[in-house]
Formats: sequence, structure tokens, C-alpha cells
Amino acid sequence: DGGITQSPKYLFRKEGQNVTLSCEQNLNHDAMYWYRQDPGQGLRLIYYSQIVNDFQKGDIAEGYSVSREKKESFPLTVTSAQKNPTAFYLCASSTTAGGRSPLHFGNGTRLTVT
Amino acid sequence: DAKTTQPPSMDCAEGRAANLPCNHSTISGNEYVYWYRQIHSQGPQYIIHGLKNNETNEMASLIITEDRKSSTLILPHATLRDTAVYYCIVRVAGNQGGKLIFGQGTELSVKP
Repeated sequence: DGGITQSPKYLFRKEGQNVTLSCEQNLNHDAMYWYRQDPGQGLRLIYYSQIVNDFQKGDIAEGYSVSREKKESFPLTVTSAQKNPTAFYLCASSTTAGGRSPLHFGNGTRLTVT
Repeated sequence: DAKTTQPPSMDCAEGRAANLPCNHSTISGNEYVYWYRQIHSQGPQYIIHGLKNNETNEMASLIITEDRKSSTLILPHATLRDTAVYYCIVRVAGNQGGKLIFGQGTELSVKP
């Protein structure tokens, strides 16, 4: 089955530690995205990548970093500089970054930092 | 970016049509209307999108008014599994990097 795989589903870390969230897609999509969702809120864009070896900051990039070395992979690192890292993180992909292409989402990683 | 307004909650009887409204009065000519739904603790699921014309797929129909300031998502025969939060979103057609602006959505409860 084609899709987007995020792992792990639940992640626990101590404050001050960096943590990397995995996102893999086998849809052959060029564009990939990371969103953050807080309880009762909509999604906010962290980073996006339109093509391999290229990525752009979204609305809330501070405290996060990404890489896009392979088309199918777009890992997100939550650094110790992120002030409120506890959240539900969603990865998505689309054929292109244009508005005509629907985003398809993974099932998310719930990160808890204590 | 255009914003959307949706009722916070709606109920629908199982087997009946669910009609979910959305206002997007500041939508621009190059912005698409998208609908997603989200079941608790899962990623949003794409339902349908359109620009000007009404659209239909295996999941739902999308009716966009002629002035494009509002739209309605129709689930023709709602089932209990359609209980979810439904988001109406506008998205620019160009390469804007997937900047979907999600509002609070409509929590649809389908009841037996």
C-alpha cells in the first residue's frame, strides 16, 4: 500500500534533549511538509520541502530543523531550543507544492517532553 | 490568506445526508477550497477540493456558490464512521509551500 509512515507513534523525551521524528513516503511525491497540532487547534506549518535537497521555513520553524537528502524521507529534529515541544506532529506529502495537489497526511507522532 | 468559518458542531442521523457549511468570504480567485476530516489522534484525511465548479468523488460532493464565498460539503449517506472533525480550508494555487490554514473545524456526530 502506498502511503506516509511516521514513527514512532508516541515519543517521550527529557527536556534539553534533541529528538528526531521520522517521516517516509512511498507515493513518489516531490513535496513534503511538517505540521504541528496542539490540543483543540488547527495545524501550523513548521517546514516544507518542494524537492530533494531543498526546504523552506514555515510559520513556526524556530527550534526545529529538517533535512531532505532522499525523495522519500523528510525527518524533523525538535531541538532543545524549541520552548514548547510537546505536541502532535504530522507529516504530509503532495505530488507538487502547488495548490492543485492535495496533501496526504501520515498518522502523526505524539511527542511528550518532560 | 483567506480564512474560513464553520459551525463548531453538527449532528446527523445515520443514513441521512450530512451537509457541512463553510464561509470563505475573502477567498481569492486563485484559491482552492479543500475539505479534510480528522478522527482523534489520526492524521487529517483528504476528502475533496474544488476551485469554481461543483465536484463529486466516491466520498462526498462539494458545492461552491457562484460568488465562491461559501461552500457545502455533502456526505450523501452518513455512517457512524463519518463521525470526525471536518476542516474547510482555502489554499493558493501557486507554489506556496502547502500553507494550509486550518480553522477550528466542525465536529460532526453521526447518531444511530
